[in-house]
Amino acid sequence: EVQLVESGGGLVQPGGSLRLSCVASGFTFSNYWMSWVRQAPGKGLEWVANIKQDGSEKNYVDSVKGRFTISRDNAKSSLYLQMTSLRAEDMAAYYCVRDQAFAFDIWGHGTMVTVSS
Amino acid sequence: QSALTQPASVSGSPGQSITISCTGTSSDVGSYNLVSWYQQHPGKVPKLMIYEVTKRPSGVSNRFSGSKSGNTASLTISGLQAEDEADYYCCSYAGYSTFRVFGGGTKLTVL
Repeated sequence: EVQLVESGGGLVQPGGSLRLSCVASGFTFSNYWMSWVRQAPGKGLEWVANIKQDGSEKNYVDSVKGRFTISRDNAKSSLYLQMTSLRAEDMAAYYCVRDQAFAFDIWGHGTMVTVSS
Repeated sequence: QSALTQPASVSGSPGQSITISCTGTSSDVGSYNLVSWYQQHPGKVPKLMIYEVTKRPSGVSNRFSGSKSGNTASLTISGLQAEDEADYYCCSYAGYSTFRVFGGGTKLTVL
């Protein structure tokens, strides 16, 4: 079964840091671009970042540039999102997503990040 | 990185057809045939319904179809069913600097 499982979400104070992880199974992880997509409570979807198959190219939405870092470990079929200087507006469910043909075809269940003092 | 524009809500009766529009610019929807659509039921994970404007992933009902004209993409659902009631989001590739942009979402109500 093709599956993405996220972890690492939780409660963090403004200005704090958090590292999200995602483990893939059921497909050859190293063959695909991967993305993080987030959704604030009651709001719409927002693409956050993506990374090329070999990690050589990384792209970010303007609002997280300089604060978030996407990375991957193909040997572990894992995707990561290091988040620093977190703000209230970063509070959201973060989805690990397979990026195929410029569409997001496989989604994880999401991990919730709460930014609050 | 402005969001694509979708109507906040649409509604239809069972058996009818509805269309959800997704308006972008010449920098995103108008320049690339890389529009995708997602269905999200309350409390659930989004599901890919359409990619590359018109293509359906395996397992998606042929009642769902996509199209594009100029800067506006559209999702049409024919033979509306109660299970189609959900939020729908469009997304477009937007070039090398912006990459991906979503619409604000449309709530579909089946009357």
